[in-house]
Amino acid sequence: SQQGEEDPQALSIQEGENATMNCSYKTSINNLQWYRQNSGRGLVHLILIRSNEREKHSGRLRVTLDTSKKSSSLLITASRAADTASYFCATYNDMRFGAGTRLTVKP
Amino acid sequence: DTEVTQTPKHLVMGMTNKKSLKCEQHMGHRAMYWYKQKAKKPPELMFVYSYEKLSINESVPSRFSPECPNSSLLNLHLHALQPEDSALYLCASSQVGPGTEAFFGQGTRLTVV
Repeated sequence: SQQGEEDPQALSIQEGENATMNCSYKTSINNLQWYRQNSGRGLVHLILIRSNEREKHSGRLRVTLDTSKKSSSLLITASRAADTASYFCATYNDMRFGAGTRLTVKP
Repeated sequence: DTEVTQTPKHLVMGMTNKKSLKCEQHMGHRAMYWYKQKAKKPPELMFVYSYEKLSINESVPSRFSPECPNSSLLNLHLHALQPEDSALYLCASSQVGPGTEAFFGQGTRLTVV
């Protein structure tokens, strides 16, 4: 069964806008990770947030984790056309991915 | 070296062929993964090896046979595949234990004719 489930499934924004995508999971976790995949290529690790952390930043990325709601969000600020990709969350427990969010950033 | 290398990059095979996909990493990772990804779908976990032993098999058909001959190599042997097995096959590796990221190869694009 899938651990992480992302929403929305597709998101289209203009360059410079912020993009927020969400992930929900079912069971207790050690950590949650976000990955990016450019079309037809391998996944790239973006950021990891541990179960005892509530927020984490990395460059233009901000991740939050709410273990009481079993959910996480990924915010990309000041988006660029190069951010166009699919974004997935996965929990350490089983490294299974949800449906992902397909982000399109229009120049 | 933070690379996971997958070969070949593209593979076309007939339904009666036997072929193998190869994955290699030299990061000292002891967990390795195979995923199958169809177009516009998320990667589906197929197999997980931990310390060279199969720890997860997601009820994958026996025409897919994984092998982990050593801590750096992971193979996926293919036999009698169906056209619906055409997909991108991704390999990944990580340290064993929480708090570690997985590194992915660029995948093998498999077409079964």
